[in-house]
Amino acid sequence: SQTIHQWPATLVQPVGSPLSLECTVEGTSNPNLYWYRQAAGRGLQLLFYSVGIGQISSEVPQNLSASRPQDRQFILSSKKLLLSDSGFYLCAWTAGVIETQYFGPGTRLLVL
Amino acid sequence: GENVEQHPSTLSVQEGDSAVIKCTYSDSASNYFPWYKQELGKRPQLIIDIRSNVGEKKDQRIAVTLNKTAKHFSLHITETQPEDSAVYFCAASGSGGSYIPTFGRGTSLIVHP
Repeated sequence: SQTIHQWPATLVQPVGSPLSLECTVEGTSNPNLYWYRQAAGRGLQLLFYSVGIGQISSEVPQNLSASRPQDRQFILSSKKLLLSDSGFYLCAWTAGVIETQYFGPGTRLLVL
Repeated sequence: GENVEQHPSTLSVQEGDSAVIKCTYSDSASNYFPWYKQELGKRPQLIIDIRSNVGEKKDQRIAVTLNKTAKHFSLHITETQPEDSAVYFCAASGSGGSYIPTFGRGTSLIVHP
């Protein structure tokens, strides 16, 4: 069966510090991968998605970037965090275009 | 692109009552409609889904109906229980071969014991 991992689970970072969040999927090949951000009490904001290694599409150009160095690994990064980057970051995967999205456990980021 | 509207934003019911959440979508080419439940502090998880060649689907106390002509779909929860309290998201996907599902803004369901 497929499993999706995210780490860290929680993170407190000062403004201006770098960020690296990691997501890995097990039990499937060539998944479509997604990064979402969710502000407290709000909906899901798509940040990036990837349909293959090295293929990244950005939905919200900000101070965040994403990379997919391996088939089942998706990384979200920032060189300098802003206060507005605080939120709940969710990684998700699908097997195809018209398929269910499965979400990872999330990373709760607080920027102070 | 696709646009999904979800109503109501908040729904408060008594335990044992039924709850209905409605979503409308704009692109008739969308053909897959999942519903997710997100408990406080947790990830969204699929609870039921429906494809465009089906009008209704049931799973115990949960059902989803789809009206392709009117471009709306609804989540029905019967005999609500306090553990049904959560945020529910609808989504639509498949439009134009896009890899991106479009989510509704969510409905906060509160079930009072």
